[in-house]
This record gives sequence, structure tokens and C-alpha cells, in this order.
Amino acid sequence: SQQGEEDPQALSIQEGENATMNCSYKTSINNLQWYRQNSGRGLVHLILIRSNEREKHSGRLRVTLDTSKKSSSLLITASRAADTASYFCATDGGFKTIFGAGTRLFVKA
Amino acid sequence: DSGVTQTPKHLITATGQRVTLRCSPRSGDLSVYWYQQSLDQGLQFLIQYYNGEERAKGNILERFSAQQFPDLHSELNLSSLELGDSALYFCASSVAGDNQETQYFGPGTRLLVL
Repeated sequence: SQQGEEDPQALSIQEGENATMNCSYKTSINNLQWYRQNSGRGLVHLILIRSNEREKHSGRLRVTLDTSKKSSSLLITASRAADTASYFCATDGGFKTIFGAGTRLFVKA
Repeated sequence: DSGVTQTPKHLITATGQRVTLRCSPRSGDLSVYWYQQSLDQGLQFLIQYYNGEERAKGNILERFSAQQFPDLHSELNLSSLELGDSALYFCASSVAGDNQETQYFGPGTRLLVL
């Protein structure tokens, strides 16, 4: 399967702490995207990083990409209770977008 | 609100039945994607359409079919339903169907097969 894998599967932190989620994938990519899903709702796009980029920032989000290791990480700084959600990485596989299994983040107030 | 609409929100039906899920993409988006999300399989790509034509196929069963109409809305037809088809079905849209684009997801249809 080309599906990416997120690590950890679940993460519980206190409000104000940083949360780091990792994604590994199996094949070469043109880009990698991160999405957030609140319970039972549709996914919301967070950030896209291209294969020739190593790091990207968007607000409290920082994404890194290491194509040699076929891995990416998503860092959420100064987390808030509203960040509680599942986070998915998605890689491009030809015309298909392939989602990982997700990391469930729980931020305790 | 992503601008993508899906109907119905919930659907309860029996095994062996057939259902149709409907999706309206964001205004201006030409491409529509269908995904199935279940607890054990995660988010699985089913199929993509671009401007009425099938562009990519994923893990879509032969019992399932889809189409995109001239007004760009799309329907996903699920037939001979089995218990294992119970899942959330999401539709997403993007401007040109390029996998480097952001996909905008609808709220999903929750299907329960009894």
C-alpha cells in the first residue's frame, strides 16, 4: 500500500504545550499535505509542502519534510483546546491523494 | 463552511439495498472526489471526476459507481449494500483536479447498513 502512516496514533497534551505528529510514506512524492478533521466532520486543509521544500510555516503550524527519509512532521505550537482533532497527512500518488490513518490529538484545557 | 454540500447527512438502510449519495462542489471547481471513511480502513479514496469525465480510480468496489453531471454535481451509487459498507462518505472538490491542489471536503454522509 502507498498509504502514509502517522505516528503516534493518539496524543494527549495540556493546553499551551506543543504537539508533534509524524508521517511516513512509501513512494516518491511531488507534495505532501496535512489536513485536520474534527470529530465526524469533513477534512480541512492545513498546509501543503512541496518535495523541494524542507520546512513551511503557517501561523502556529510548522511542517517539515525529509524526502530522503520519506517522512514529514507537523508541529502545533502553543496548543489550544480547539486544536483537538484528528490530523492526517496526504501524499500524491499519481492522480490519487492517499491519506494516512491519522493522529488523534486531544488537548486538555 | 467549505462550500461543498452533500446530501443526505444520514442514511439508514438494509443489506441488499441501493442508495445514492449526492455532492455539489464549490462554485468554480471542476473536479470531484469521493472518499470512504470507516473505523477499520481509515480514509480511502474511491474515485475522482474532472469536468464530467472519470480521472482516477481508487479502492472502489464494483457494486459502487459514480458519475459527474454537466452541472458538475456528482452522485455516488452504492448497490447490494453489505454491513461493511457502513461508513462516512465524503465528497471533496478542487479547481482543476491536480493533486497539488487543496481539496475542499463536504460534511459527509453517514451511512448505516443494518
